[in-house]
Amino acid sequence: GNSVTQMEGPVTLSEEAFLTINCTYTATGYPSLFWYVQYPGEGLQLLLKATKADDKGSNKGFEATYRKETTSFHLEKGSVQVSDSAVYFCALSDSGGGADGLTFGKGTHLIIQP
Amino acid sequence: EAEVAQSPRYKITEKSQAVAFWCDPISGHATLYWYRQILGQGPELLVQFQDESVVDDSQLPKDRFSAERLKGVDSTLKIQPAELGDSAMYLCASTLRGTNNEQFFGPGTRLTVL
Repeated sequence: GNSVTQMEGPVTLSEEAFLTINCTYTATGYPSLFWYVQYPGEGLQLLLKATKADDKGSNKGFEATYRKETTSFHLEKGSVQVSDSAVYFCALSDSGGGADGLTFGKGTHLIIQP
Repeated sequence: EAEVAQSPRYKITEKSQAVAFWCDPISGHATLYWYRQILGQGPELLVQFQDESVVDDSQLPKDRFSAERLKGVDSTLKIQPAELGDSAMYLCASTLRGTNNEQFFGPGTRLTVL
């Protein structure tokens, strides 16, 4: 079956530090990959996505590249801000462009200190 | 900006009571999902609707959970009777055909069973 593995948190960084959150996946087909962000007490917001190998998704300074050879979709940001503190979820959709439920990782709690 | 609406935002109930959650997806989104998110975990799919039809309810505990989307628009998720282990965040999401399964999430209902 499908699965997503994320690095354990919490991850604590100082403001302006470089961020990497690792994500690897297992899927039977050619999935679409997503990063969602969840702020305290709120639902999930789509941060970025990539739908095929070597695609790079980007938004708000965050980037992730779909690496089929390593089955990875690591999230990066060059200079984090306190406002980036949240829980980040990596997810996949293995429905070939259809609309099946997403498979999520367990989430990585990011804490940015001023 | 269009959003997925959910109510209530918070619900406290005693075990063995019945609870119901409501979701109104983004207008025009034919596919609707209910997920359960246990504290510290990623969301897990409970049920998926395409218009008014259930597409996937394989992970829905049908002895106590039920879901409906009678007119293919808004949806209700019910638990009867609630158990202590049902305490979680219940998230509703919707998606539009042809968007590579980019799902939009509501703010969630936080259920506490005492």
